[in-house]
Amino acid sequence: SAVISQKPSRDICQRGTSLTIQCQVDSQVTMMFWYRQQPGQSLTLIATANQGSEATYESGFVIDKFPISRPNLTFSTLTVSNMSPEDSSIYLCSVPLAGGPYNEQFFGPGTRLTVL
Amino acid sequence: DQQVKQNSPSLSVQEGRISILNCDYTNSMFDYFLWYKKYPAEGPTFLISISSIKDKNEDGRFTVFLNKSAKHLSLHIVPSQPGDSAVYFCAPSGAGNQFYFGTGTSLTVIP
Repeated sequence: SAVISQKPSRDICQRGTSLTIQCQVDSQVTMMFWYRQQPGQSLTLIATANQGSEATYESGFVIDKFPISRPNLTFSTLTVSNMSPEDSSIYLCSVPLAGGPYNEQFFGPGTRLTVL
Repeated sequence: DQQVKQNSPSLSVQEGRISILNCDYTNSMFDYFLWYKKYPAEGPTFLISISSIKDKNEDGRFTVFLNKSAKHLSLHIVPSQPGDSAVYFCAPSGAGNQFYFGTGTSLTVIP
């Protein structure tokens, strides 16, 4: 298993500002994932954060809006840039379960973001 | 284009009875299906999974059934307990690490 923490747990931000969300894992992992869950919607993969290389973004998500850092194997940040109310969501990081079958993932507790 | 649908946003069941949560998908390339459980203010936690080569997988009180021809899977919880009250997501996966989460079903087990 893995213990994953996220900071902040929640925040209320003004339109046009940026927020950086931190994800810390208690073990070294090659891949970390960032998801978004908009109100009433399913979880959507934003990007895969790889240590030592650029993050890989899914369709509909771009680096300028969601820059990601991955400085080491236990830590990653996701920045939500130039926020608008449509960015109000829960943002979650996750890591693959070591030794588990086929892509099971551990999720962090999430960051609840409200943009006014 | 929503590839995964959980058409029941909520479900209430009496304690001790069976809970049945349904999930439909459209992508025939999905070959591994996971169920996640989520409590408020917590991230989803893995519950049970099934590979496309099986039609049933059982783990204690939890059983997942897969009907590939109908592109349908269901999660059965029996007997249901109040601690099972949570939001349940089905999450099929194909190649790679992309998961396609359903919108979730909020289960309430009434004591």
